[in-house]
Amino acid sequence: EPEVTQTPSHQVTQMGQEVILRCVPISNHLYFYWYRQILGQKVEFLVSFYNNEISEKSEIFDDQFSVERPDGSNFTLKIRSTKLEDSAMYFCASTPGTGERYGELFFGEGSRLTVL
Amino acid sequence: DQQVKQNSPSLSVQEGRISILNCDYTNSMFDYFLWYKKYPAEGPTFLISISSIKDKNEDGRFTVFLNKSAKHLSLHIVPSQPGDSAVYFCAARLIGNEKLTFGTGTRLTIIP
Repeated sequence: EPEVTQTPSHQVTQMGQEVILRCVPISNHLYFYWYRQILGQKVEFLVSFYNNEISEKSEIFDDQFSVERPDGSNFTLKIRSTKLEDSAMYFCASTPGTGERYGELFFGEGSRLTVL
Repeated sequence: DQQVKQNSPSLSVQEGRISILNCDYTNSMFDYFLWYKKYPAEGPTFLISISSIKDKNEDGRFTVFLNKSAKHLSLHIVPSQPGDSAVYFCAARLIGNEKLTFGTGTRLTIIP
């Protein structure tokens, strides 16, 4: 079965540095998401992306975050100036948006970000 | 924001018995509910879903029940197997919206 792939699997960075997390969603999917899970907490929505623009974002997704789909296959999350509290597992997800599996999000394995 | 709650952080069940995981929600505008299973260091994996127009959906060993009047859903796994040991997340989607709101998860341990 096709899957969502994410890189890197783990990134360690210094506070204040920029980080880019990369995702390759499933090829025929139309909706893309970033979620995150701080250790021991629930999975939280960050942002959804459709038709090359943000369709919804949470209050967590402030000005230091941005998303981009630069080449039609990759979907990236950039954190401009990382803070300690950005340390979390970041999950990319995609969904076809139509058809039998509408509503089911397919998640990648996650990118663990550690901010020191 | 506690719109989706899983009040049991953990549950232990003997292998072969039924596992019942519960989830409560507060927003009556949720129209679609999903259960995800998550192993450590992996992303959530879709398990089963139910639309708000139904009260039951079954897929093999997994059955989800929805009680709209009580704003409650449950996941039944029978018979439970050791490979079912994982964290289970309940999630809900608002009408006309793609975003999922997740519960805090229940760690299920199946005892051989």
